[in-house]
Amino acid sequence: AQTVTQSQPEMSVQEAETVTLSCTYDTSESDYYLFWYKQPPSRQMILVIRQEAYKQQNATENRFSVNFQKAAKSFSLKISDSQLGDAAMYFCAYRGHISNFGNEKLTFGTGTRLTIIP
Amino acid sequence: DVKVTQSSRYLVKRTGEKVFLECVQDMDHENMFWYRQDPGLGLRLIYFSYDVKMKEKGDIPEGYSVSREKKERFSLILESASTNQTSMYLCASSFLRRSPAVSVNTEAFFGQGTRLTVV
Repeated sequence: AQTVTQSQPEMSVQEAETVTLSCTYDTSESDYYLFWYKQPPSRQMILVIRQEAYKQQNATENRFSVNFQKAAKSFSLKISDSQLGDAAMYFCAYRGHISNFGNEKLTFGTGTRLTIIP
Repeated sequence: DVKVTQSSRYLVKRTGEKVFLECVQDMDHENMFWYRQDPGLGLRLIYFSYDVKMKEKGDIPEGYSVSREKKERFSLILESASTNQTSMYLCASSFLRRSPAVSVNTEAFFGQGTRLTVV
Protein backbone atom coordinates (compact mmCIF):
# COMPACT_ATOMS: atom_id res chain seq x y z
CA ALA A 1 0.00 0.00 0.00
CA GLN A 2 1.13 3.49 -0.71
CA THR A 3 1.92 5.84 2.15
CA VAL A 4 2.54 9.58 2.17
CA THR A 5 4.48 11.28 4.97
CA GLN A 6 4.59 14.97 5.82
CA SER A 7 7.00 15.40 8.71
CA GLN A 8 6.37 19.10 9.37
CA PRO A 9 3.05 19.62 11.18
CA GLU A 10 3.57 23.40 11.20
CA MET A 11 5.72 25.88 9.33
CA SER A 12 5.94 29.65 9.32
CA VAL A 13 7.51 32.15 6.94
CA GLN A 14 7.88 35.88 6.68
CA GLU A 15 5.79 37.55 4.02
CA ALA A 16 7.71 37.80 0.71
CA GLU A 17 10.16 35.07 1.74
CA THR A 18 10.45 31.53 0.38
CA VAL A 19 9.37 28.39 2.20
CA THR A 20 9.68 24.70 1.36
CA LEU A 21 7.23 22.04 2.56
CA SER A 22 8.44 18.43 2.63
CA CYS A 23 6.72 15.26 1.51
CA THR A 24 7.97 11.71 1.12
CA TYR A 25 6.05 8.71 -0.13
CA ASP A 26 6.41 5.00 -0.45
CA THR A 27 5.25 3.01 -3.46
CA SER A 28 6.22 0.01 -5.54
CA GLU A 29 4.74 1.51 -8.70
CA SER A 30 6.87 3.13 -11.37
CA ASP A 31 4.20 5.47 -12.73
CA TYR A 32 1.98 7.65 -10.58
CA TYR A 33 0.84 11.20 -9.92
CA LEU A 34 1.69 13.46 -7.03
CA PHE A 35 -0.26 16.51 -5.92
CA TRP A 36 -0.14 19.37 -3.49
CA TYR A 37 -3.50 20.60 -2.25
CA LYS A 38 -4.17 23.73 -0.22
CA GLN A 39 -6.96 23.98 2.35
CA PRO A 40 -7.53 27.56 3.60
CA PRO A 41 -9.77 28.37 6.57
CA SER A 42 -12.76 28.22 4.22
CA ARG A 43 -12.10 24.43 4.13
CA GLN A 44 -12.27 24.25 0.33
CA MET A 45 -9.50 21.97 -0.94
CA ILE A 46 -7.75 23.57 -3.89
CA LEU A 47 -5.24 21.92 -6.20
CA VAL A 48 -1.94 23.81 -6.12
CA ILE A 49 0.27 21.73 -8.39
CA ARG A 50 0.53 18.32 -10.02
CA GLN A 51 3.53 16.17 -11.05
CA GLU A 52 3.53 13.12 -13.30
CA ALA A 53 6.20 10.66 -12.18
CA TYR A 54 7.30 9.88 -15.73
CA LYS A 55 8.20 13.53 -16.32
CA GLN A 56 11.68 14.47 -15.22
CA GLN A 57 10.97 18.19 -15.32
CA ASN A 58 9.72 19.66 -12.08
CA ALA A 59 6.26 21.21 -12.28
CA THR A 60 5.80 24.94 -11.69
CA GLU A 61 2.72 27.11 -11.29
CA ASN A 62 3.53 30.78 -10.87
CA ARG A 63 5.05 31.14 -7.37
CA PHE A 64 4.69 27.43 -6.63
CA SER A 65 7.20 24.82 -7.74
CA VAL A 66 8.12 21.30 -6.75
CA ASN A 67 11.36 19.43 -6.27
CA PHE A 68 10.55 15.89 -7.39
CA GLN A 69 13.22 13.32 -6.57
CA LYS A 70 11.88 10.00 -7.84
CA ALA A 71 14.70 7.80 -6.58
CA ALA A 72 14.47 9.32 -3.12
CA LYS A 73 10.64 9.30 -3.27
CA SER A 74 10.57 12.91 -2.25
CA PHE A 75 8.18 15.63 -3.44
CA SER A 76 8.67 19.02 -1.80
CA LEU A 77 6.71 22.21 -2.48
CA LYS A 78 8.46 25.56 -2.71
CA ILE A 79 6.44 28.74 -2.30
CA SER A 80 8.27 31.86 -3.43
CA ASP A 81 7.37 35.43 -2.45
CA SER A 82 4.98 34.19 0.23
CA GLN A 83 1.73 36.11 0.54
CA LEU A 84 -0.80 36.36 3.36
CA GLY A 85 -3.27 34.43 1.21
CA ASP A 86 -0.92 31.44 1.19
CA ALA A 87 -1.74 30.74 4.83
CA ALA A 88 -3.45 27.36 4.83
CA MET A 89 -3.11 23.67 5.49
CA TYR A 90 -1.12 21.99 2.72
CA PHE A 91 -1.59 18.33 1.87
CA CYS A 92 0.62 16.14 -0.26
CA ALA A 93 -1.24 13.37 -2.12
CA TYR A 94 -0.48 10.33 -4.28
CA ARG A 95 -2.51 8.63 -7.02
CA GLY A 96 -1.57 5.51 -9.00
CA HIS A 97 -1.18 5.81 -12.77
CA ILE A 98 -2.65 2.65 -14.18
CA SER A 99 -6.41 2.46 -14.30
CA ASN A 100 -6.72 -0.39 -11.90
CA PHE A 101 -9.82 0.02 -9.82
CA GLY A 102 -8.52 0.96 -6.43
CA ASN A 103 -5.65 2.92 -7.90
CA GLU A 104 -7.99 5.79 -8.57
CA LYS A 105 -8.03 6.92 -4.96
CA LEU A 106 -5.84 9.66 -3.55
CA THR A 107 -3.67 8.85 -0.54
CA PHE A 108 -2.94 11.90 1.60
CA GLY A 109 -0.29 12.94 4.07
CA THR A 110 -1.21 14.39 7.44
CA GLY A 111 -0.73 17.97 6.31
CA THR A 112 1.45 20.98 7.12
CA ARG A 113 -0.09 24.14 8.54
CA LEU A 114 1.61 27.17 7.00
CA THR A 115 1.51 30.51 8.77
CA ILE A 116 2.56 33.72 7.02
CA ILE A 117 4.10 36.35 9.28
CA PRO A 118 3.40 39.91 8.11
CA ASP B 1 -16.28 25.54 -13.15
CA VAL B 2 -16.31 22.09 -11.63
CA LYS B 3 -18.67 21.89 -8.77
CA VAL B 4 -18.86 19.35 -5.98
CA THR B 5 -21.63 20.23 -3.56
CA GLN B 6 -22.19 18.75 -0.14
CA SER B 7 -25.67 19.06 1.28
CA SER B 8 -24.71 20.55 4.64
CA ARG B 9 -21.83 22.63 5.91
CA TYR B 10 -22.56 21.95 9.58
CA LEU B 11 -24.59 19.14 11.11
CA VAL B 12 -25.38 18.19 14.70
CA LYS B 13 -26.87 14.76 15.36
CA ARG B 14 -27.62 12.63 18.39
CA THR B 15 -25.94 9.34 19.22
CA GLY B 16 -27.78 6.46 17.58
CA GLU B 17 -29.36 8.54 14.82
CA LYS B 18 -29.10 7.49 11.20
CA VAL B 19 -27.24 10.23 9.32
CA PHE B 20 -27.12 10.90 5.59
CA LEU B 21 -24.41 13.06 4.02
CA GLU B 22 -25.13 13.88 0.40
CA CYS B 23 -22.70 14.85 -2.35
CA VAL B 24 -23.46 15.93 -5.92
CA GLN B 25 -20.98 16.66 -8.72
CA ASP B 26 -21.68 18.26 -12.09
CA MET B 27 -18.59 17.18 -14.07
CA ASP B 28 -19.78 13.73 -15.18
CA HIS B 29 -16.95 12.17 -13.14
CA GLU B 30 -16.94 8.40 -12.78
CA ASN B 31 -15.08 8.35 -9.45
CA MET B 32 -16.51 9.67 -6.24
CA PHE B 33 -14.96 9.51 -2.78
CA TRP B 34 -15.77 10.12 0.86
CA TYR B 35 -12.92 11.15 3.14
CA ARG B 36 -12.82 11.89 6.82
CA GLN B 37 -10.47 14.64 8.05
CA ASP B 38 -9.20 14.74 11.62
CA PRO B 39 -6.40 16.90 13.09
CA GLY B 40 -3.05 15.17 12.90
CA LEU B 41 -4.45 12.33 10.80
CA GLY B 42 -4.93 14.06 7.47
CA LEU B 43 -7.60 12.74 5.11
CA ARG B 44 -8.55 9.11 5.39
CA LEU B 45 -10.63 7.33 2.76
CA ILE B 46 -13.90 5.85 3.95
CA TYR B 47 -15.44 4.58 0.68
CA PHE B 48 -15.16 5.25 -3.00
CA SER B 49 -17.13 4.43 -6.12
CA TYR B 50 -16.05 4.23 -9.75
CA ASP B 51 -19.49 3.65 -11.25
CA VAL B 52 -23.17 3.69 -10.44
CA LYS B 53 -24.05 1.03 -7.86
CA MET B 54 -20.35 0.15 -7.46
CA LYS B 55 -18.53 0.78 -4.22
CA GLU B 56 -15.21 -0.10 -2.68
CA LYS B 57 -14.12 0.08 0.93
CA GLY B 58 -11.42 2.52 1.79
CA ASP B 59 -9.15 2.53 4.82
CA ILE B 60 -11.78 3.18 7.53
CA PRO B 61 -15.18 1.85 6.39
CA GLU B 62 -16.38 0.57 9.76
CA GLY B 63 -19.59 2.23 10.89
CA TYR B 64 -20.29 3.70 7.45
CA SER B 65 -22.07 2.67 4.28
CA VAL B 66 -22.56 4.40 0.93
CA SER B 67 -25.05 4.59 -1.89
CA ARG B 68 -24.58 5.55 -5.52
CA GLU B 69 -27.83 5.26 -7.43
CA LYS B 70 -27.01 8.01 -9.93
CA LYS B 71 -23.68 8.95 -11.44
CA GLU B 72 -23.71 12.47 -10.04
CA ARG B 73 -24.68 11.61 -6.47
CA PHE B 74 -22.79 9.75 -3.75
CA SER B 75 -24.24 9.42 -0.28
CA LEU B 76 -22.47 8.54 2.95
CA ILE B 77 -24.60 6.88 5.61
CA LEU B 78 -23.87 6.58 9.29
CA GLU B 79 -26.21 3.76 10.31
CA SER B 80 -26.05 4.60 14.03
CA ALA B 81 -24.04 7.71 14.73
CA SER B 82 -21.52 7.59 17.54
CA THR B 83 -19.47 10.33 19.19
CA ASN B 84 -16.25 9.00 17.63
CA GLN B 85 -17.71 9.85 14.24
CA THR B 86 -17.59 13.55 15.06
CA SER B 87 -15.36 14.85 12.30
CA MET B 88 -15.05 16.79 9.05
CA TYR B 89 -16.30 14.84 6.04
CA LEU B 90 -15.09 15.68 2.55
CA CYS B 91 -16.55 14.45 -0.72
CA ALA B 92 -14.47 14.40 -3.90
CA SER B 93 -14.82 13.33 -7.53
CA SER B 94 -12.47 12.64 -10.45
CA PHE B 95 -12.32 11.12 -13.90
CA LEU B 96 -11.69 7.41 -14.31
CA ARG B 97 -8.60 6.62 -16.35
CA ARG B 98 -9.71 3.85 -18.70
CA SER B 99 -6.27 3.47 -20.25
CA PRO B 100 -2.78 4.60 -19.27
CA ALA B 101 -2.48 6.10 -22.77
CA VAL B 102 -5.45 8.36 -22.27
CA SER B 103 -4.54 11.75 -20.97
CA VAL B 104 -7.28 13.15 -18.79
CA ASN B 105 -7.29 15.35 -15.78
CA THR B 106 -6.11 13.27 -12.89
CA GLU B 107 -6.84 15.50 -9.94
CA ALA B 108 -9.79 15.17 -7.61
CA PHE B 109 -12.20 18.04 -6.98
CA PHE B 110 -13.57 18.52 -3.49
CA GLY B 111 -16.73 19.74 -1.87
CA GLN B 112 -16.67 22.35 0.88
CA GLY B 113 -16.86 19.78 3.65
CA THR B 114 -19.45 18.89 6.28
CA ARG B 115 -18.51 19.33 9.89
CA LEU B 116 -20.51 16.70 11.75
CA THR B 117 -20.91 16.76 15.51
CA VAL B 118 -22.47 13.76 17.22
CA VAL B 119 -23.70 14.50 20.75
